Amino acid sequence: GAVVSQHPSWVICKSGTSVKIECRSLDFQATTMFWYRQFPKQSLMLMATSNEGSKATYEQGVEKDKFLINHASLTLSTLTVTSAHPEDSSFYICSADRDTEAFFGQGTRLTVV
Amino acid sequence: GESVGLHLPTLSVQEGDNSIINCAYSNSASDYFIWYKQESGKGPQFIIDIRSNMDKRQGQRVTVLLNKTVKHLSLQIAATQPGDSAVYFCAEGGPGTALIFGKGTTLSVSS
Repeated sequence: GAVVSQHPSWVICKSGTSVKIECRSLDFQATTMFWYRQFPKQSLMLMATSNEGSKATYEQGVEKDKFLINHASLTLSTLTVTSAHPEDSSFYICSADRDTEAFFGQGTRLTVV
Repeated sequence: GESVGLHLPTLSVQEGDNSIINCAYSNSASDYFIWYKQESGKGPQFIIDIRSNMDKRQGQRVTVLLNKTVKHLSLQIAATQPGDSAVYFCAEGGPGTALIFGKGTTLSVSS
């Protein structure tokens, strides 16, 4: 079946540094990928829609200059958390659709210390 | 969003019992509904989906019921097993759009 791979699965970084998270569709092409954030004991909340070859669309309240999204190819979208702060610590999950079915990455646990 | 009184944040059952997890969805235009299972530290795992032109769909040990009149979705798990313990989310969506997730229900299965 279709697989979406996310890397890294976990990362610890210092405040003020930047972290890049990759989302790859392994056996299909995805013109659109979605990035979600999940805080402990909460549901997944959409952060942004990543569009191949064009700018990402951000949800209200999500800072586009802080969460940089690059969808440079049909199989790769990256989310860079810039100048990370402890409140950015969360579980970040990407998804991509194939034939109207959503496939999720394994998620990335970000801890900012 | 979730209807007050309908969504239970936790559900505890005995092994072998049937479990019913409920969800209320918000957008009457949504035409695709999915149930996901999420284990600690992992991404959501697809369980079963249903289109808006159906009111029931069965999988292996799971059944999803859709009531469009009251915008209600339920997941029934037959003969619940300890391995079913997880957080369960309903999600709604449409073609090419991101999914909107419900609050989640933590299912605990005791032996």
